[in-house]
Amino acid sequence: DADVTQTPRNRITKTGKRIMLECSQTKGHDRMYWYRQDPGLGLRLIYYSFDVKDINKGEISDGYSVSRQAQAKFSLSLESAIPNQTALYFCATSDFRPWELFFGEGSRLTVL
Amino acid sequence: AQTVTQSQPEMSVQEAETVTLSCTYDTSESDYYLFWYKQPPSRQMILVIRQEAYKQQNATENRFSVNFQKAAKSFSLKISDSQLGDAAMYFCAYRQGGSEKLVFGKGMKLTVNP
Repeated sequence: DADVTQTPRNRITKTGKRIMLECSQTKGHDRMYWYRQDPGLGLRLIYYSFDVKDINKGEISDGYSVSRQAQAKFSLSLESAIPNQTALYFCATSDFRPWELFFGEGSRLTVL
Repeated sequence: AQTVTQSQPEMSVQEAETVTLSCTYDTSESDYYLFWYKQPPSRQMILVIRQEAYKQQNATENRFSVNFQKAAKSFSLKISDSQLGDAAMYFCAYRQGGSEKLVFGKGMKLTVNP
């Protein structure tokens, strides 16, 4: 089983719908992240969390919210999806130094 | 703000040959880490190699090695004996020590020709 699991892997939805992407990890890391990947733009940080009580905005948090339900679970919500939120979304975890990220397999979201 | 630049959007290499992927970064910090990630068609991001800025020795992982030029802020990835499975998008990334943000370059598509 993967260390970082994302569901769903693919999702097509309509403008205005609420969408939740879920992430769970078995690596035992405290730090969890949500990134968004767009072609030609690399990956950009949406939100990150150190623990269930510590949630922080990244560089592109507008239009998104997150919930850290437990050390191992971190979900990303789009309250009212819009077409420019069509992207590949990655959940990742990290330990303290050496700071490398461990990624899930990605959730491809299409908003029509 | 830190930036990471991958100037070559695409490269190709013949199987069994060597290829070098370039990356430059901009920072005024002294404590940082550099990474190369690979994204094959399966789309998962896989760590290829990591370099700590305080280490002078270039990192090596089997067929993958880096040329870390700290003064020039350059971090290139060399792939030796290229294999078909090396075909992927490659992303260079920077992380300042103590920062939660990993800054990615825009990526480079590597094609391996049989």
